[in-house]
Amino acid sequence: DTGVSQDPRHKITKRGQNVTFRCDPISEHNRLYWYRQTLGQGPEFLTYFQNEAQLEKSRLLSDRFSAERPKGSFSTLEIQRTEQGDSAMYLCASSAKGSYTGELFFGEGSRLTVL
Amino acid sequence: AQKVTQAQTEISVVEKEDVTLDCVYETRDTTYYLFWYKQPPSGELVFLIRRNSFDEQNEISGRYSWNFQKSTSSFNFTITASQVVDSAVYFCALKGDQGGKLIFGQGTELSVKP
Repeated sequence: DTGVSQDPRHKITKRGQNVTFRCDPISEHNRLYWYRQTLGQGPEFLTYFQNEAQLEKSRLLSDRFSAERPKGSFSTLEIQRTEQGDSAMYLCASSAKGSYTGELFFGEGSRLTVL
Repeated sequence: AQKVTQAQTEISVVEKEDVTLDCVYETRDTTYYLFWYKQPPSGELVFLIRRNSFDEQNEISGRYSWNFQKSTSSFNFTITASQVVDSAVYFCALKGDQGGKLIFGQGTELSVKP
């Protein structure tokens, strides 16, 4: 499978715990995006990387959230001290180098449930 | 600020009916890109179509067609002869000429009944 893969697919945690999600983009894609989607809503942009550089962060990305892409390949999204409001689907997407048109390819998402 | 509005929250049709999904966008960019994505129950967003702001030609691709009108900032999507497998949530999205992110609308849930 050469698509975007995310792990874990589902995470249940207790409030206050830290969680980390991993995303492996399509191999030749140099841009990687994180979105959050809650029930009945469209995906909301969180942050994106071009290679290892984090180029933009949304105001939605509070200090408890941190994303990295250390070698310009896979990325991790960590949420510290989780809150019930963090319960959502976290989507990762990638796009091709030089793709000015911006077509994104999405993974199946990581669903977070905070109890 | 960029914004995408999909006023239709839910649409229900009977199989073989045509259905149009509405999308209205806001942007100050002169160059921008518009997209439609499909999210089936499995959850993965699937790219359907893309349109550039400098090309208002409307096209048909199989059962899909779209109507892009800059004068009304609308980018509507039509499925002809709908099928049960078309049941999904459909999202309209906008990308400006700066940065790489897409701005998504709230989505329209389409239910096609046999």
